[in-house]
Amino acid sequence: SQQGEEDPQALSIQEGENATMNCSYKTSINNLQWYRQNSGRGLVHLILIRSNEREKHSGRLRVTLDTSKKSSSLLITASRAADTASYFCATVGGEIKAAGNKLTFGGGTRVLVKP
Amino acid sequence: DTGVSQDPRHKITKRGQNVTFRCDPISEHNRLYWYRQTLGQGPEFLTYFQNEAQLEKSRLLSDRFSAERPKGSFSTLEIQRTEQGDSAMYLCASKRQGGTSETQYFGPGTRLLVL
Repeated sequence: SQQGEEDPQALSIQEGENATMNCSYKTSINNLQWYRQNSGRGLVHLILIRSNEREKHSGRLRVTLDTSKKSSSLLITASRAADTASYFCATVGGEIKAAGNKLTFGGGTRVLVKP
Repeated sequence: DTGVSQDPRHKITKRGQNVTFRCDPISEHNRLYWYRQTLGQGPEFLTYFQNEAQLEKSRLLSDRFSAERPKGSFSTLEIQRTEQGDSAMYLCASKRQGGTSETQYFGPGTRLLVL
């Protein structure tokens, strides 16, 4: 079953604009990760934020985490056509026996960046 | 290219046939995961291995599914008596447990279509 929901399900923006997507989850977590998937391809890891962190940056990516609201956001600044992809958040559970660090994914946000 | 390979990339089969997929992880990675992704959804965990030991299986993994990792290197996922509902992308991922990185590296996936 999916851990949480992503919002919006789809996003269409012009090149140069910022893209923001949100992820909500249900249970306690050890960390939350964001992945990108180009159409019909495998997933590429973008960024990881631990449960004791609130914000993290990597290049044009900014991730926030609010554990009190069980939510995270991913911001892509100055988007490019090459950013067109589906973006998924995934959590690793916070239980002591966090079952093998398996990832529990949300449903994804499909982002279209128009040139 | 993440270094994780999967074969075949595409498989079309008729209902009732058996299919087998292979995953070659990054060589020093002792953890190997299988996920399934249906169209428009996020991946869902199926099973994982630590070296050659299969440590967890999801309820999604019916008794028609079997996975092996005989020497702790490559892994195979077999589906017996395929059903149309098995049509999906099957993703493999690997990571090195015990290291500082918690990133899972995904292969390109095997897309299965059951007619």
